[in-house]
Amino acid sequence: RKEVEQDPGPFNVPEGATVAFNCTYSNSASQSFFWYRQDCRKEPKLLMSVYSSGNEDGRFTAQLNRASQYISLLIRDSKLSDSATYLCVVKTPSNTGKLIFGQGTTLQVKP
Amino acid sequence: NAGVMQNPRHLVRRRGQEARLRCSPMKGHSHVYWYRQLPEEGLKFMVYLQKENIIDESGMPKERFSAEFPKEGPSILRIQQVVRGDSAAYFCASSPYGQGQETQYFGPGTRLLVL
Repeated sequence: RKEVEQDPGPFNVPEGATVAFNCTYSNSASQSFFWYRQDCRKEPKLLMSVYSSGNEDGRFTAQLNRASQYISLLIRDSKLSDSATYLCVVKTPSNTGKLIFGQGTTLQVKP
Repeated sequence: NAGVMQNPRHLVRRRGQEARLRCSPMKGHSHVYWYRQLPEEGLKFMVYLQKENIIDESGMPKERFSAEFPKEGPSILRIQQVVRGDSAAYFCASSPYGQGQETQYFGPGTRLLVL
């Protein structure tokens, strides 16, 4: 079983749509969770951290369910510029801070 | 404030040659991580270094791969006797302290192609 699993997609949605991505992780001791965005296999860029209480940043909402070891990202009112690969990332419980990446979910927003 | 820099951005090698990838962390950052992204896959952790020390190399292949982060100069990821399976994007990330909640900032990556 992979440490972090995502549906690779692709998700093809029209502009203005709401889309949700899911992710599961295997290590129950994991402490920190993130969503990164990667455009055309350029470097990953941090989109947002994910907290147990859930958090929102504009059109983006992230949720964490520790009991189910499940992380989600909701994008409302999709824009063409949201087209990218979204990476679910978990920081290992060790003190080295290394990140474990899912394989990514590809989103294509169409006009 | 320059971000993480990596060079070269693209590197072509023939099988059996050596590849040297360089990473200069952000100013003030003394912790460097190397990740590899194979085609159609997610990023995989390779090695974590502080200045002059390898802290965690659990993700690095035991043979042909080595990494260093000297007191002066960039971090170097070295691949000896490259094979076609080494073709990938290699990303370096840096952080100020290496632990806790601080963000890792990624460089633009080096795309290695082995012919």
